[in-house]
Amino acid sequence: QTVVTQEPSFSVSPGGTVTLTCGLSSDSVSRRSYPSWYQQTPGRTPRTLIYNTDIRSSGVPGRFSGSILGDKAALTITGAQADDECEYYCLLYVGGGIWVFGGGTRLTVL
Amino acid sequence: QVQVQESGPGLVKPSETLSLTCAVSGYSMTSGYYWGWVRQAPGKGLEWIGSTHHSGTTYYNPFLKSRVTITPDTSKNKFSLNVEFVTAADTAMYYCARFESSVLRAFDIWGQGTVVTVSS
Repeated sequence: QTVVTQEPSFSVSPGGTVTLTCGLSSDSVSRRSYPSWYQQTPGRTPRTLIYNTDIRSSGVPGRFSGSILGDKAALTITGAQADDECEYYCLLYVGGGIWVFGGGTRLTVL
Repeated sequence: QVQVQESGPGLVKPSETLSLTCAVSGYSMTSGYYWGWVRQAPGKGLEWIGSTHHSGTTYYNPFLKSRVTITPDTSKNKFSLNVEFVTAADTAMYYCARFESSVLRAFDIWGQGTVVTVSS
């Protein structure tokens, strides 16, 4: 069973920088995992932030960036703002046409 | 502007089949992309259910594969989701979405979602 791991919660100060990560329980994440990142506020539809590791979706502020850090995918928010406080999910390709979401990270900005 | 919109009953009885439809507008499914379903149980995270291509190629979450069918209907530019033998664990918000599989490798267009409750 492939599990995609994310920090359950994270906290950042307004204006600060935070890096959320996305890993695999039994393997390393690489560009071939094609990680994407989604932002969701309570009661709302997910919003796609990052495609295929590091391609920012149209309209997404430049403070959001994606990368591979070590053996994980990473979403970095540089200069966090209050309305960045929500849930963040990653999605990874695990082979055979199968995709798996991470459990999500709840980000608090305070 | 490409849009996808879910529809279907909001209440399904246990052991019955959940059936949802996703209507695609502003884009022809036969032009490409995969089309998928994602669900979110109350208070829980996102779960990939599966994705289909107009060619009929379809992939499923291994944990749901025995109960789930996703079918494209290119004549009506829509695709459907069937989940058999539902239980309370299938109660969730169900989203349909477009999946770009060549360059972006991600969901890029999302529906608003539809709530399905499994209860007698």
